[in-house]
Amino acid sequence: SQTIHQWPATLVQPVGSPLSLECTVEGTSNPNLYWYRQAAGRGLQLLFYSVGIGQISSEVPQNLSASRPQDRQFILSSKKLLLSDSGFYLCAWNPRDTPSSYEQYFGPGTRLTVT
Amino acid sequence: KNEVEQSPQNLTAQEGEFITINCSYSVGISALHWLQQHPGGGIVSLFMLSSGKKKHGRLIATINIQEKHSSLHITASHPRDSAVYICAVRETSGSRLTFGEGTQLTVNP
Repeated sequence: SQTIHQWPATLVQPVGSPLSLECTVEGTSNPNLYWYRQAAGRGLQLLFYSVGIGQISSEVPQNLSASRPQDRQFILSSKKLLLSDSGFYLCAWNPRDTPSSYEQYFGPGTRLTVT
Repeated sequence: KNEVEQSPQNLTAQEGEFITINCSYSVGISALHWLQQHPGGGIVSLFMLSSGKKKHGRLIATINIQEKHSSLHITASHPRDSAVYICAVRETSGSRLTFGEGTQLTVNP
């Protein structure tokens, strides 16, 4: 069965510090991968998605970046965090090119507080 | 105006009550999702539907494509149903999901 992991679960970082959040998926190959952010009291917002290694599409311009160094690894980064980067970050995946490819499966999330 | 609107934003019910959460959208879609977000933040997919009705246990989801409207119903609600319920649509023009802002449901014993 497939499993999606995210770490860390919670993170408190000062403004201006770097960020690295990691997401890994087990039990599948060639997944589509997604990073979402949920700010307090707001809906989920798609930040990045990837259809393959090294292929990243950005949905929202910001000081965040994403990378996919391996097929089942998706990393969200920032060189300098802003207060507005605080939120709940969710990674998700779905299988590519299958009848169930419309489903998305979410990781447990990382709660980031920028102080 | 958001592309996906949910109502109500907050809902408090007594255990056993029948609950309805509504979702309206303004774009053409290929699928609509209902998600449940637990207090810790984890999200679980409840339903994905593109027409008609689906049922899973005490949960029922319906969609009317012509009216661009979907409802999530919970029968015989229970305190463990307390969560945020999120509607999300997949537009016909792309692969990404657009999310509503969620409905906070609290079921009191």
